[in-house]
Amino acid sequence: GQNIDQPTEMTATEGAIVQINCTYQTSGFNGLFWYQQHAGEAPTFLSYNVLDGLEEKGRFSSFLSRSKGYSYLLLKELQMKDSASYLCASLDSNYQLIWGAGTKLIIKP
Amino acid sequence: GAVVSQHPSWVICKSGTSVKIECRSLDFQATTMFWYRQFPKQSLMLMATSNEGSKATYEQGVEKDKFLINHASLTLSTLTVTSAHPEDSSFYICSAREISSGDYNEQFFGPGTRLTVL
Repeated sequence: GQNIDQPTEMTATEGAIVQINCTYQTSGFNGLFWYQQHAGEAPTFLSYNVLDGLEEKGRFSSFLSRSKGYSYLLLKELQMKDSASYLCASLDSNYQLIWGAGTKLIIKP
Repeated sequence: GAVVSQHPSWVICKSGTSVKIECRSLDFQATTMFWYRQFPKQSLMLMATSNEGSKATYEQGVEKDKFLINHASLTLSTLTVTSAHPEDSSFYICSAREISSGDYNEQFFGPGTRLTVL
């Protein structure tokens, strides 16, 4: 079956660094997406990885290991506005997104 | 980036009525549009995949006669919730995939429509 696992909730302090992990098992693999979703809003694209390694984009970085079926999203210099849910999604062989349940990130001052 | 709009943003209706939600890609042509439903504190659930000019493909457990999808053009897809009931109250989100988006196959999301059925 297809499965995406990520922690339900994480808490971090403003200015700190947090890593949100995601493991996936899907029928085929055409890349791994991370989206940010604030409450009551649609998801917004953060990153896409299809090759192994780290992709850095400002304060956010995303890592992929295809052999391990593992990805993480790294957020640096956390700001209060980063409080949101972070969704991991794998693109399967049919180019369909398989979504994780999301990780709710709580930032404390 | 590409922009997808949804209309209406929110709607309140009485039980038994039908509601139509529009999803438009504003600055690109979308071969495929996706309709998702999201209940509070849950992840996105794909309802159906809509390809322009053909019938939508519904996910298991989604009633095609209740959730009518029409993808009339490369920039417009509509979802009609027929005979809505309170349990249909949810956040409905569409996304669109560009015809030519290179290796990305990125989906661009609309802002969502919050449906409340009384």
